[in-house]
Amino acid sequence: DTGVSQDPRHKITKRGQNVTFRCDPISEHNRLYWYRQTLGQGPEFLTYFQNEAQLEKSRLLSDRFSAERPKGSFSTLEIQRTEQGDSAMYLCASSLAGDRDGSGNTIYFGEGSWLTVV
Amino acid sequence: AQSVTQLGSHVSVSEGALVLLRCNYSSSVPPYLFWYVQYPNQGLQLLLKYTSAATLVKGINGFEAEFKKSETSFHLTKPSAHMSDAAEYFCAVSPLYNFNKFYFGSGTKLNVKP
Repeated sequence: DTGVSQDPRHKITKRGQNVTFRCDPISEHNRLYWYRQTLGQGPEFLTYFQNEAQLEKSRLLSDRFSAERPKGSFSTLEIQRTEQGDSAMYLCASSLAGDRDGSGNTIYFGEGSWLTVV
Repeated sequence: AQSVTQLGSHVSVSEGALVLLRCNYSSSVPPYLFWYVQYPNQGLQLLLKYTSAATLVKGINGFEAEFKKSETSFHLTKPSAHMSDAAEYFCAVSPLYNFNKFYFGSGTKLNVKP
């Protein structure tokens, strides 16, 4: 059972450039989440998918951000016209809806993709 | 709205001493509660979770947490700290009405002194 994998792990880009991150969730998981974490803070929710449907987006997700999960498996998060304030770690997580132990949703995180905008 | 407060952004203990990391939540209905650990430059790893079963929850690496509804708290403890416990710890809540959304505290960095 491989965990959630993210690529690239680190990205340095110039202000104004576009960047794209990829997330591969745990294989049987139908829910996929994106979070953003800045230094000294806990992760903040950005968006989530159930299968290929994007069901919720945070107000943090400006028009420059777009996320897709076209086949209900991997997901991409694209940031257009990057700004210095976008520098953060972007965390992907996945979970299995309706897990049978009735314990509610537990989400499993990847190792994150660090973005530095210079 | 949900919120999580972690008292103490930095906690320092000696190796072998008790670890106590504090977490309080605000919610009219007790949510699901979680503790995650994050090592430098890595993602978050689940330590333990409370999901309305036993109020004392045991997790990995000898950690446990107790849900106290009257105090709206979910403090994390470990009887004896080990050097390898040095990391950042995050408390999180997941509302029962929308457990797709997790709310995280700002984290507590645990330093373990030899």
